[in-house]
Formats: sequence, structure tokens, C-alpha cells
Amino acid sequence: DAGVIQSPRHEVTEMGQEVTLRCKPISGHDYLFWYRQTMMRGLELLIYFNNNVPIDDSGMPEDRFSAKMPNASFSTLKIQPSEPRDSAVYFCASSWRWGDKGPYEQYFGPGTRLTVT
Amino acid sequence: LAKTTQPISMDSYEGQEVNITCSHNNIATNDYITWYQQFPSQGPRFIIQGYKTKVTNEVASLFIPADRKSSTLSLPRVSLSDTAVYYCLVVRVNTDKLIFGTGTRLQVFP
Repeated sequence: DAGVIQSPRHEVTEMGQEVTLRCKPISGHDYLFWYRQTMMRGLELLIYFNNNVPIDDSGMPEDRFSAKMPNASFSTLKIQPSEPRDSAVYFCASSWRWGDKGPYEQYFGPGTRLTVT
Repeated sequence: LAKTTQPISMDSYEGQEVNITCSHNNIATNDYITWYQQFPSQGPRFIIQGYKTKVTNEVASLFIPADRKSSTLSLPRVSLSDTAVYYCLVVRVNTDKLIFGTGTRLQVFP
């Protein structure tokens, strides 16, 4: 498997523009997670899905952020309108469901570095 | 979830053993201890996970005392490529969420 795939790898946009980040999880994984990483706040969980259904979106910073998972092999994270403070690296991760010996490891994608000017 | 405390940074030299200790005083019965590694410009990567006593894999060992209030990640004979941030996490059964703290920044010198 190619691992978790994210696109684009880099995105530079102007304040007020719409930004869409894309993620393809590892085939067969039940869970998909979106994280954001900044120097100030570290690695934060934004939202996660189980079997394409959003389970917990309490980490989504505000209504400008939305995430969808229309099928098991694709998810998007959209920011509209974007602001400079949204500049960060956004990671997507996927995993199987909890196993008998504890939580399954999460596999992270390479991330999308977003810069909003 | 139990809050974790680990050193902000550590330095080592190539060939040495590195031990990173994590404190999780409020760990619950149904919590597991998990460690991730993150290289610059990459996403975190799972290293090792345990519930109690000792776990070893090809990358590291994890030591968990009987009271489980702390854990120690041991990296044998580190190399320059082990320079990374190491995160200690406490994961509760059936919650699925990972809460990352600030991690320990390990710098390995030649």
C-alpha cells in the first residue's frame, strides 16, 4: 500500500480564499483523522471519522472549517474563508478500529503545508 | 484522559542508549501507553505501545512499572537519524482519540 496520501503537499493562498485539502486513507482502515500542527499549539486533533461518519468534531476551530468523507477512500478538509492564522501543517491519518490488544497505530500522511497570506 | 509529562528536550551522542521518561500519574485501568516519533517535515510515526511490564520491538523498548504512573522509552545505540520529537500518549480503550502533548525533542550528536 502507498500509505496515506495527501494533496496538495504545499498550498499558498490569499486571505479570504477557499482552501480544500484532500486525503486518501490506507485501504481497509475504519478510521480517518485530521490534525493541525503549529509551533504555538503543537499537534491538534480537528475531527475524526469512523466508517465515513464524523464521530468527534470538537477540535474544529470554527465554522470556517468543514470536513467530509463521502466514501471510504476519500476525505476533504475545507477552510472558507481562509485567514493567516490558519497557516499550519495539516495531517491526515488513518487506522483500523480498536483491537484486542489495545489501540491500533495511526498511520499519518506527509501533511499539507498551508500558508495564508 | 491522563495528562502526560515528559522532558522538553534531551541531547545524546551516537551509540549511546537514550531513555525518555514520561509521567502519567492519573492513568486509568483501561488506558494504554503509546509512543510516537516525528521527524522534521513528516507526520508522526508509531514506535511502540504497552499496558504493563516491558515491551520490546525492533526499534525500542518500553518499560512500565507496576503502578503504571510512568513509563520509559528506551532507544538502544542511537544514531543521528534518531533525532526527532518523541511523544508519549495515554490512550483509553474505545475512545480512538490521540491527544499529543509537546513531546521530547531528542538531538543526537556525532
